[in-house]
Amino acid sequence: EAEVAQSPRYKITEKSQAVAFWCDPISGHATLYWYRQILGQGPELLVQFQDESVVDDSQLPKDRFSAERLKGVDSTLKIQPAELGDSAMYLCASSPFRSGRRTDTQYFGPGTRLTVL
Amino acid sequence: GQQVMQIPQYQHVQEGEDFTTYCNSSTTLSNIQWYKQRPGGHPVFLIQLVKSGEVKKQKRLTFQFGEAKKNSSLHITATQTTDVGTYFCAGPQGGSEKLVFGKGTKLTVNP
Repeated sequence: EAEVAQSPRYKITEKSQAVAFWCDPISGHATLYWYRQILGQGPELLVQFQDESVVDDSQLPKDRFSAERLKGVDSTLKIQPAELGDSAMYLCASSPFRSGRRTDTQYFGPGTRLTVL
Repeated sequence: GQQVMQIPQYQHVQEGEDFTTYCNSSTTLSNIQWYKQRPGGHPVFLIQLVKSGEVKKQKRLTFQFGEAKKNSSLHITATQTTDVGTYFCAGPQGGSEKLVFGKGTKLTVNP
């Protein structure tokens, strides 16, 4: 069964350093999401892509976070500089359907657990 | 903005007991989805409800969407240790496709 791949699985960094996370969605999935999940909370959407275009980045702290999906396949989420409050699980999800059709099932990857010291 | 509230936040049961978690939205939802996250794992899609008053069953799990499409519930009959995890409901925000997740209900099952 196809799965969403993410790397690294764990990342420990010091504050003010730069970190990057990678996501490879299920093949053929047009929509890709990046979520942040703080311990004890539900996932919170950071950014949504359809193909290579950003659909929603209203919750992305753009002063330090950036995301790209240049060829409409895999995606990178970057934080620079990292802050203590960024410690969380960063989840990537993908969905086969295109924006504007309907809210569809999202398939989550295993996540990257970030610890900022 | 739209809020999705879940209760209880935690639930501990003995194996074989039933379990129910409730989800309430501040606005009417076009649909609601349920996900399960095992300890140390990632959310896994369980089901989507679309119609007012809809009830769907998956083995021992029963999902219900309220008549007003503002609330939902997940009921597990005769819990097993494999049911352990956090159950999240999620609904689209306003007219967008952006999913807003509840904080989840963490279920622990004592064998």
